[in-house]
Amino acid sequence: DVKVTQSSRYLVKRTGEKVFLECVQDMDHENMFWYRQDPGLGLRLIYFSYDVKMKEKGDIPEGYSVSREKKERFSLILESASTNQTSMYLCASSLRDRAHTEAFFGQGTRLTVV
Amino acid sequence: QKEVEQNSGPLSVPEGAIASLNCTYSDRGSQSFFWYRQYSGKSPELIMFIYSNGDKEDGRFTAQLNKASQYVSLLIRDSQPSDSATYLCAVNKSGAGSYQLTFGKGTKLSVIP
Repeated sequence: DVKVTQSSRYLVKRTGEKVFLECVQDMDHENMFWYRQDPGLGLRLIYFSYDVKMKEKGDIPEGYSVSREKKERFSLILESASTNQTSMYLCASSLRDRAHTEAFFGQGTRLTVV
Repeated sequence: QKEVEQNSGPLSVPEGAIASLNCTYSDRGSQSFFWYRQYSGKSPELIMFIYSNGDKEDGRFTAQLNKASQYVSLLIRDSQPSDSATYLCAVNKSGAGSYQLTFGKGTKLSVIP
């Protein structure tokens, strides 16, 4: 059974803080993704990674960075949190197999920036 | 801009009826199509995927794909109150980004007991 685990379900941070969101998957998936989900805007891709130490910008990378030092772990970093980054953050992983591109999600982290 | 369009709903159906959820996509090169179910406050859960034109059935769920019309649908037979959720359609991007999925904004389904 695919397991994607995000480090926190709920986080409250102050404006200007550096925030780390951690994601770990146990299925040896090559691809990992970070999305944010907001009412009326749907799921938007922030960053993704196809391999260790590589990263690609998604649709809304501004204000975020990522780190992938190990295959199973993908971290999202908010360099200086702002109130407009209050959102639900979802990590996902998938195989690097064009015949199987389905993504599996973690439980989500609801981040509130005050 | 490659997009996935869904009616936002809410779609209300009585218990036991068939719920029909629809999705259109703009990327003609897309090859993989997915339906996710998302309960309020929870993360999306994969319920169906389809790669070929036609129908694919899994229990009470049937996914339908028509690549010529760029149309994907999900039928839920014998709808139950526990099916009440938001359903997200997802499509893979063609070309070099084919591992990426583009999501629709979701259709909210309400099954009335």
